[in-house]
This record gives sequence, structure tokens and C-alpha cells, in this order.
Amino acid sequence: NAGVTQTPKFQVLKTGQSMTLQCAQDMNHNSMYWYRQDPGMGLRLIYYSASEGTTDKGEVPNGYNVSRLNKREFSLRLESAAPSQTSVYFCASSEDRTMNTEAFFGQGTRLTVV
Amino acid sequence: LAKTTQPISMDSYEGQEVNITCSHNNIATNDYITWYQQFPSQGPRFIIQGYKTKVTNEVASLFIPADRKSSTLSLPRVSLSDTAVYYCLVGDGLAGTASKLTFGTGTRLQVTL
Repeated sequence: NAGVTQTPKFQVLKTGQSMTLQCAQDMNHNSMYWYRQDPGMGLRLIYYSASEGTTDKGEVPNGYNVSRLNKREFSLRLESAAPSQTSVYFCASSEDRTMNTEAFFGQGTRLTVV
Repeated sequence: LAKTTQPISMDSYEGQEVNITCSHNNIATNDYITWYQQFPSQGPRFIIQGYKTKVTNEVASLFIPADRKSSTLSLPRVSLSDTAVYYCLVGDGLAGTASKLTFGTGTRLQVTL
């Protein structure tokens, strides 16, 4: 089982460029999440999706858009990258039955905006 | 969502038992308590989850007092490989809603020889 797969693993962007981070899970999970983690900090929720076709803002959504393409895939788009978006981005998924919040995380995408 | 408070860091020697306490005074009736572990350059990994009293698995034990306003993650006989950041989460376990996982800054555990 692949679990949660993120692409790319590393990316360098120039300020103002756009890109999409891809995430796919093969566990038939309903909920998917995007987090960012700055050096020495905890994870902060950007967006999440409770089910296919629905998305909601998390703690730090500004500068990002998401798309829940289908049940497997949840992408994160930066329309105009800024140096403040330099971070490690993690995608996660969970079955999200009531009382069951075990989530599975991808290996992360390390993004540098110069 | 219930807010959690954990120590920023802890140090331990290899072979010792480590207890990390998390405070969650505003925990709701339906909330579960979940702990994650994160190694450098990796995503967090689920360790253990509980609702009340004691839960034990092959990795750790979780102790939850009757009032559920705190919980303690216990790691028996830690090794160097247990050096990581440990996060305590209190879930929004309402029926029919997405559990929005919210991580705090966690507890950085350093294990040395």
C-alpha cells in the first residue's frame, strides 16, 4: 500500500510563480487535509475536505486554493508564490468516522520561494 | 475545538520511562484524545488514541483521569530512536462532521545515552 503520496518532494519557485502540489491516497478515506510546517513550528491547517466535492478553510488559507478532484486526490495551488510561503507542506487523509481521527500523512513537499 | 497545552521540550536518558502530559481543560463529551509522533523531515505518525482510563498498545500507554481534563502519554524504556516531537490532539468527534485535526507546537523529546 502506498498510503498518501505527495508530488513533488522538492520545489523551488520564484516570487510570483504558480504551482500545484498534488496529493493522492489509496485508502478510500473520506477526509483529506493540507498542512504547512515552518521550521521549528507545529503544523498549521491550510484547507481540508470532508468529502469529495467539499472543501473548507483551515487556520491559514490565504494565498492558497484547493481542489478535491475525486475521492483519491486533493491538490493545493499557489497562484502567486511569496517568500512567506516557503515551508514544508504535508497532505493527510483520514477515514473520519465518528470517534476515529487517525490520520495518515504523506512525506511532505519542501517548497522554497525565492 | 479543545485547546491543548504541552511542555515545549523534555530530555531523557535511554532506557528510562518518559511521561508527557497534555492539558485540555475544555474537552467536550464526544472528544477523543490522540497522540502523534513526528521525526525530522517526516509527516506525523499516529501513536495512540483514547477516551478514558487507560489505553495500551505495542508502542505506548495513554492515561486519562476521570475528569478527562488532561492526559499522559507514557513511553516505556525509550531509546535514541524515540527522539521526536510528540503532539497531543483533542478531536472534534461530533457525529457527521469532519474531524479537523489541529496540531499545537508539540513536545520535543530528546533522548541521549
